[in-house]
Amino acid sequence: AQSVTQPDIHITVSEGASLELRCNYSYGATPYLFWYVQSPGQGLQLLLKYFSGDTLVQGIKGFEAEFKRSQSSFNLRKPSVHWSDAAEYFCAQSSYNTDKLIFGTGTRLQVFP
Amino acid sequence: DAGVTQSPTHLIKTRGQQVTLRCSPKSGHDTVSWYQQALGQGPQFIFQYYEEEERQRGNFPDRFSGHQFPNYSSELNVNALLLGDSALYLCASSSWGTSLQETQYFGPGTRLLVL
Repeated sequence: AQSVTQPDIHITVSEGASLELRCNYSYGATPYLFWYVQSPGQGLQLLLKYFSGDTLVQGIKGFEAEFKRSQSSFNLRKPSVHWSDAAEYFCAQSSYNTDKLIFGTGTRLQVFP
Repeated sequence: DAGVTQSPTHLIKTRGQQVTLRCSPKSGHDTVSWYQQALGQGPQFIFQYYEEEERQRGNFPDRFSGHQFPNYSSELNVNALLLGDSALYLCASSSWGTSLQETQYFGPGTRLLVL
């Protein structure tokens, strides 16, 4: 069965520091991979997605993610975090024959000034 | 463009009651998916509706049912509520038949508390 693992439940960084959120997927073929952000009281907003091609994907708000098949990973990165990036981040996957999303349990990001 | 809208925003029910949640998809979208997000968890897929029919279903009991109307809006119904049904219910809309790369847009959710 497909599954998504986000090993870090909670991450704290200082404003201006770099950020990497980890995501591991479980799927035999090439999955479709997504990163969503959820702020309190808000729905999910798509940051970026990967389907094929270039393994380094650029998203909104300065985020990027790299697909590494050998490690079954799709880690999210940002070179310099802003206080407004504090939120819950979800990694998700789907497959070629369904757009049903399978989500990880999320990583809560806290940003200190 | 109003995006995906959901109502109500919050709801309190007691065990055994029934609840109906509503979703209006983003303009131009004809497919609605529902997700349940328990506290501290990621969203879990409940089911998806297109052309007023359930097209896919996740691992949820029959107490969870839905409906889609001709205007593409959708309802999620939960019967015989349990304490464990307390969660944020998210609606997502998309366009059927487009590439799977089509982005799903999520609404703000309805927070259901069962006492």
